Amino acid sequence: KAGVTQTPRYLIKTRGQQVTLSCSPISGHRSVSWYQQTPGQGLQFLFEYFSETQRNKGNFPGRFSGRQFSNSRSEMNVSTLELGDSALYLCASSPTGAVGKTSYEQYFGPGTRLTVT
Amino acid sequence: AQSVAQPEDQVNVAEGNPLTVKCTYSVSGNPYLFWYVQYPNRGLQFLLKYITGDNLVKGSYGFEAEFNKSQTSFHLKKPSALVSDSALYFCALKPGNTPLVFGKGTRLSVIA
Repeated sequence: KAGVTQTPRYLIKTRGQQVTLSCSPISGHRSVSWYQQTPGQGLQFLFEYFSETQRNKGNFPGRFSGRQFSNSRSEMNVSTLELGDSALYLCASSPTGAVGKTSYEQYFGPGTRLTVT
Repeated sequence: AQSVAQPEDQVNVAEGNPLTVKCTYSVSGNPYLFWYVQYPNRGLQFLLKYITGDNLVKGSYGFEAEFNKSQTSFHLKKPSALVSDSALYFCALKPGNTPLVFGKGTRLSVIA
């Protein structure tokens, strides 16, 4: 099975611009989560989607948004970019996100390295 | 509040020696615990998980972890370290139907 894929792998943007990152989960996985990784803050949870519905949201400003499509692919968008948004954005998929089935590990993509100048 | 602590930012070990990367947790209810490894410029790779059952969990690449409920710990271990094990290791907790909570990470350096 192909792993989680993320596009693009690297991105350079200017302050004030917006960006869209894409994630394709492992085939058959319906749950997709997004994380931001920075040297100072470590791994911080952004959102979790299951069957096109946002189930959980982290403590990030409204500039960060996401969605999931019917084929489980997911996108996240950051508007009005700030220098502090520079980070590695990781997407992870899980076999299931159904309530009560919480024991499954997540499989991570390689990430998108976003640099804001 | 649910939390994970990795008390060591850096662990250095000689090749061939046993290694331990420490993790403690705080959770109400049953803990689902995970270890992940991250190599430079890569995403996280799943190593192993504890859900229930035996306290000693075996995972990928010869790693294992010991769940200790009384000490609320889930330390990662390997009997004989390899230089290729050098990476960033994350302990994570999944408190029920909520997102993964990660520790800050421990950088493991295996010296030849």
